[in-house]
Amino acid sequence: KAGVTQTPRYLIKTRGQQVTLSCSPISGHRSVSWYQQTPGQGLQFLFEYFSETQRNKGNFPGRFSGRQFSNSRSEMNVSTLELGDSALYLCASSSEVQGAGETQYFGPGTRLLVL
Amino acid sequence: EDKVVQSPLSLVVHEGDTVTLNCSYEVTNFRSLLWYKQEKKAPTFLFMLTSSGIEKKSGRLSSILDKKELFSILNITATQTGDSAVYLCAVANAGNMLTFGGGTRLMVKP
Repeated sequence: KAGVTQTPRYLIKTRGQQVTLSCSPISGHRSVSWYQQTPGQGLQFLFEYFSETQRNKGNFPGRFSGRQFSNSRSEMNVSTLELGDSALYLCASSSEVQGAGETQYFGPGTRLLVL
Repeated sequence: EDKVVQSPLSLVVHEGDTVTLNCSYEVTNFRSLLWYKQEKKAPTFLFMLTSSGIEKKSGRLSSILDKKELFSILNITATQTGDSAVYLCAVANAGNMLTFGGGTRLMVKP
């Protein structure tokens, strides 16, 4: 089975711009979660989608948004980029069914640099 | 607020040594505790623990959970240079949201 894939792998943007990151989960996985990883804050949860619905949301401003498509692929959007948004953005998928408790598997990440 | 604390922050050992990494947590509606290994890329899954006192083992790595004392340990025996990485502990709540600890950076010297 192919793993979680994320595109693009690297991205350079300037302040004020917006960016869209994409994640394709492992085949058959319906839950997709997004995380931000920075040296200072570590790995922080952004949000989780299941069956095209946002099921959980972390403590990030409204500039961070996402969506999930019917094939479980997910996109994450960050508007009005700030320097502090520079980070590794990781996507993780699981075959999560409510109450089942499944392991999350991570993709390679998108490294975003905001100048 | 859910919280996961890992110790030590970093560790330097020599090949062949045994190491123990610690993870303590406070989480509402605990579901599971997971260990990941992160090198210069995405975290790779090691173990998921849900029950107290049951050791999970994979080769030289093993882990156990204590749900009464709210901690877990990850043991690595006969360490090799390829074990050098950041080891991350995460706790999943009932909503499948992972809260990560800050990680333990392990360096294994030849």
